[in-house]
Amino acid sequence: AQKITQTQPGMFVQEKEAVTLDCTYDTSDQSYGLFWYKQPSSGEMIFLIYQGSYDEQNATEGRYSLNFQKARKSANLVISASQLGDSAMYFCAMREHNTDKLIFGTGTRLQVFP
Amino acid sequence: DVKVTQSSRYLVKRTGEKVFLECVQDMDHENMFWYRQDPGLGLRLIYFSYDVKMKEKGDIPEGYSVSREKKERFSLILESASTNQTSMYLCASSFVQGAQPQHFGDGTRLSIL
Repeated sequence: AQKITQTQPGMFVQEKEAVTLDCTYDTSDQSYGLFWYKQPSSGEMIFLIYQGSYDEQNATEGRYSLNFQKARKSANLVISASQLGDSAMYFCAMREHNTDKLIFGTGTRLQVFP
Repeated sequence: DVKVTQSSRYLVKRTGEKVFLECVQDMDHENMFWYRQDPGLGLRLIYFSYDVKMKEKGDIPEGYSVSREKKERFSLILESASTNQTSMYLCASSFVQGAQPQHFGDGTRLSIL
């Protein structure tokens, strides 16, 4: 069965430092997609970045990059130059093969301190 | 920008009531989804719909039903609300297939007393 694992319930990082949020996945499919979302305390889910299983380059979007290691089945989110506004829950998700359904991990709560 | 609008941010209902949660999207997305979010469990899919009048069960459909009479609107129905349905409910929509992300509404925090 497909599964997403986020092993870090909480992380702390100092402002302006980089932080890596871990995500591992389990699938037997060759074609799949991986997403990261941010959920501030206000509750809305904000799409951050996407990585396709056949993409050769690691995805980047501004201060967000995805460290995609296919053989290890990991898709870690790297946030560079952390800001106080980055404090939020972060969810990793995988699109199921041949559907548009997403499987979510349990999330990591990131706190950025001055 | 994509807009997914959920009818209420906060809702309080009583056990046994029939509860309707409404979701509207303005981007002509084919797919629409209902999730519930509980601490430590992430988001779990209740139902989704890939077309008008089409629906499929997600991982936790028990106690819920859905309705999609128009492409832009997807309703979640709690037939007889129970206290264990107290949760955060999130609606999302997306285009079919590919790298397109799901776009979420702001969520409805539902309390069943």
